[in-house]
Amino acid sequence: DVKVTQSSRYLVKRTGEKVFLECVQDMDHENMFWYRQDPGLGLRLIYFSYDVKMKEKGDIPEGYSVSREKKERFSLILESASTNQTSMYLCASSFRVEETQYFGPGTRLLVL
Amino acid sequence: AQKVTQAQTEISVVEKEDVTLDCVYETRDTTYYLFWYKQPPSGELVFLIRRNSFDEQNEISGRYSWNFQKSTSSFNFTITASQVVDSAVYFCALSESGNAGNMLTFGGGTRLMVKP
Repeated sequence: DVKVTQSSRYLVKRTGEKVFLECVQDMDHENMFWYRQDPGLGLRLIYFSYDVKMKEKGDIPEGYSVSREKKERFSLILESASTNQTSMYLCASSFRVEETQYFGPGTRLLVL
Repeated sequence: AQKVTQAQTEISVVEKEDVTLDCVYETRDTTYYLFWYKQPPSGELVFLIRRNSFDEQNEISGRYSWNFQKSTSSFNFTITASQVVDSAVYFCALSESGNAGNMLTFGGGTRLMVKP
């Protein structure tokens, strides 16, 4: 079975803090993705990576950065958290282009 | 540009009823992929099915069935004899062939509530 794990299920941070969300997959997938999910807005792609050290902006990259130093790990970084980044963050991975994306359990982030 | 529409934001049924979740998509590609995911209250998106645009055969998996019709750009999902455990938000998604990283475009989701 594909396993995608995320470092935290719930996080509470203060405005201005630097926040790291970690995602690990154990299936040797090339592609990894970060989405955020908000009521009424559905899932929106923040960044994705198709190889180690490679990254591409998604639909809403502003305020975020990513890091992929190892194939199995993809980190989402909020350099200076703001209240409008309070959201559910979902990580996903897939083997190749056009293959199915498998999702992690999600991290609910609250920025106070 | 690709787009997925799930017109039903919320559906409520009583256990054992059949229910169909609608999905309509827009794409200019001739090769594309359609997906359904389930998101239970725990939050994780669970993959249900993947379909490519050349395979219009309907699929059945237990109580779940999918009807793919290219003529109407629809990929509808039916749950037969619904159960309380089917309560979740269901997302339809589209991926166009060749787009970098197989980015998914999601519909807005349909919240299904199955009452005992």
